Amino acid sequence: GAVVSQHPSWVICKSGTSVKIECRSLDFQATTMFWYRQFPKQSLMLMATSNEGSKATYEQGVEKDKFLINHASLTLSTLTVTSAHPEDSSFYICSARVPGSGGNTDTQYFGPGTRLTVL
Amino acid sequence: RKEVEQDPGPFNVPEGATVAFNCTYSNSASQSFFWYRQDCRKEPKLLMSVYSSGNEDGRFTAQLNRASQYISLLIRDSKLSDSATYLCVVNRRGYSTLTFGKGTMLLVSP
Repeated sequence: GAVVSQHPSWVICKSGTSVKIECRSLDFQATTMFWYRQFPKQSLMLMATSNEGSKATYEQGVEKDKFLINHASLTLSTLTVTSAHPEDSSFYICSARVPGSGGNTDTQYFGPGTRLTVL
Repeated sequence: RKEVEQDPGPFNVPEGATVAFNCTYSNSASQSFFWYRQDCRKEPKLLMSVYSSGNEDGRFTAQLNRASQYISLLIRDSKLSDSATYLCVVNRRGYSTLTFGKGTMLLVSP
């Protein structure tokens, strides 16, 4: 299957700082990437859809000025958590969409996730 | 009502047992269905897609009932390594986004 990497895998920061997370598709190009957040014992919640060369589409309730997304190339999307606070501590996971072919449905491949802890 | 609902479990089974999970979805416009597996503190990994006619992959069998809007996953001959959280995932027609259930935890014991 396709490989997606994320960096960093974990980060601890002080309240008020900004944190940038990178998501890369290593062996394929992804016009669409997704950013999810997962709190303990909760389901993955989609935050936004990142489209190469255009603005991200945010889900309801997700502040676009707080969670800045940039998808500048076909292999890289970044999520910046600005002015992070303890309630932003979570597991952030990206995925990249591989379009289906021959009538098959699209598949999403997930990065290994970034565990953010804000003190 | 949540869009995708699953029994959170945990399901505790001995090695070799057969175990089944169900998942219900509320949006009748849903068109694609998947089971993902997520290990503790790891990312989800695709286990299998679910097709209308039902499909099997080794010890795993997935079924879809569109009329009742539920999906099932059957695991035969459980292994210790099957211990994980199994996520029911649904995709709506015309959308590229996925909707995840909260997952069902499976614990397989020796």
